Amino acid sequence: QLVLTQSPSASASLGASVKLTCTLNSGHTTYAIAWHQQQPEKGPRFLMRLNRDGSHTKGDGIPDRFSGSSSGAERYLTISGLQSDDEADYYCQTWDSDTQVFGGGTKLTVL
Amino acid sequence: QVQLQESGPGLVKPSGTLSLTCAVSGDSISSSNWWNWVRQSPGRGLEWIGEMYHSGSTKYNPSLKSRVTISVDESKNQFSLKMSSVTAADTAVYYCARGRRVCEIGYCYGGPMDVWGKGTTVTVSS
Repeated sequence: QLVLTQSPSASASLGASVKLTCTLNSGHTTYAIAWHQQQPEKGPRFLMRLNRDGSHTKGDGIPDRFSGSSSGAERYLTISGLQSDDEADYYCQTWDSDTQVFGGGTKLTVL
Repeated sequence: QVQLQESGPGLVKPSGTLSLTCAVSGDSISSSNWWNWVRQSPGRGLEWIGEMYHSGSTKYNPSLKSRVTISVDESKNQFSLKMSSVTAADTAVYYCARGRRVCEIGYCYGGPMDVWGKGTTVTVSS
């Protein structure tokens, strides 16, 4: 069974950087994922597809402040130069030939 | 620019059938992409409902499979969701999303969802 695990919450100061983590379960550690941002009262927005080797392809208009990296079963989203509108829920998503799966989401608070 | 727009009744009675449509613009429903439905219950995370390819191939969340049908109308460039026997637990914001095709060893399926609709709220109540 394909499972993604995210910490429920994270926080960082305005202007600082933060690294969010999405962990693939055993047996699925080579999978690519996607990161999505959901600002309050809005729909999700695709940020990037992130591969096992850390290469990533961002969505249209996604700023350079957003980047991705990988290590083993971990997939990371780093946001640098935090702005107030980065305060949002961040979801990871993965897929295989039978299903699509979302992580539980991380609520990012910008202090 | 690809856009997706959900539409349908905002209120459905318990035990009834929820019916939603997603209109696609800027891309063809007959392209190589997959077309998804995702929902979000109040205060909760994202839950995948199912996806389909224009050929008619479908995949569903096992927890919802017995109640869900996703279909496509190529002539209108839209796809639809029907969910039967709804209860209050089905109250949620429903999103449609485009899934980019991923191919491995000659087998292709839905991958990252790169375009989302704004969502439509459905309340199940008498």
